[in-house]
Amino acid sequence: DGGITQSPKYLFRKEGQNVTLSCEQNLNHDAMYWYRQDPGQGLRLIYYSQIVNDFQKGDIAEGYSVSREKKESFPLTVTSAQKNPTAFYLCASSLGTALNEQFFGPGTRLTVL
Amino acid sequence: GNSVTQMEGPVTLSEEAFLTINCTYTATGYPSLFWYVQYPGEGLQLLLKATKADDKGSNKGFEATYRKETTSFHLEKGSVQVSDSAVYFCALTIALPSNTPLVFGKGTRLSVIA
Repeated sequence: DGGITQSPKYLFRKEGQNVTLSCEQNLNHDAMYWYRQDPGQGLRLIYYSQIVNDFQKGDIAEGYSVSREKKESFPLTVTSAQKNPTAFYLCASSLGTALNEQFFGPGTRLTVL
Repeated sequence: GNSVTQMEGPVTLSEEAFLTINCTYTATGYPSLFWYVQYPGEGLQLLLKATKADDKGSNKGFEATYRKETTSFHLEKGSVQVSDSAVYFCALTIALPSNTPLVFGKGTRLSVIA
């Protein structure tokens, strides 16, 4: 089955540690995105990548980093510089048509203790 | 800039009631419009979409019409069910250039009680 996988579903880390969230897609989509979701704030864009080896900052990129070495993978690292990292993180991808319909993964809930 | 405003929730309805969730947008260029739904603990799923003025998107009994004159894309359903309880997000993207990120509203939580 084609789709987007994010792992793990729940992640716990101690304050001050970097943590990497996985996102893999087998839809052959060119573009991938990372969003952060907090209660009452909707989805906020962290980073996105329109093509391999290229990515752009979104609205809240500070304290995060990404890489796009393969078309199917777009890992997100939450660094110790992120002041409030506890949140629900969603990965998405899109084919690259004018419609720009995005497909979402199931999300990872990160809790920093 | 581009933005989406949707009615704040939570919205609580009895089963079989009529649902309307308002969504208005501001956009440069020609946006495509979407409604996504998020069930508890899950990612977002596309519910319906419309790509040009007067288009009506529909799915699972939900409908929304792209109204350019009022810059709106209100979500409606004639008879809600308990299983419709979820958070609903209105979103837009500008068709060109492709792969531009979606702009989301803040979401509206719907609770349907039996």
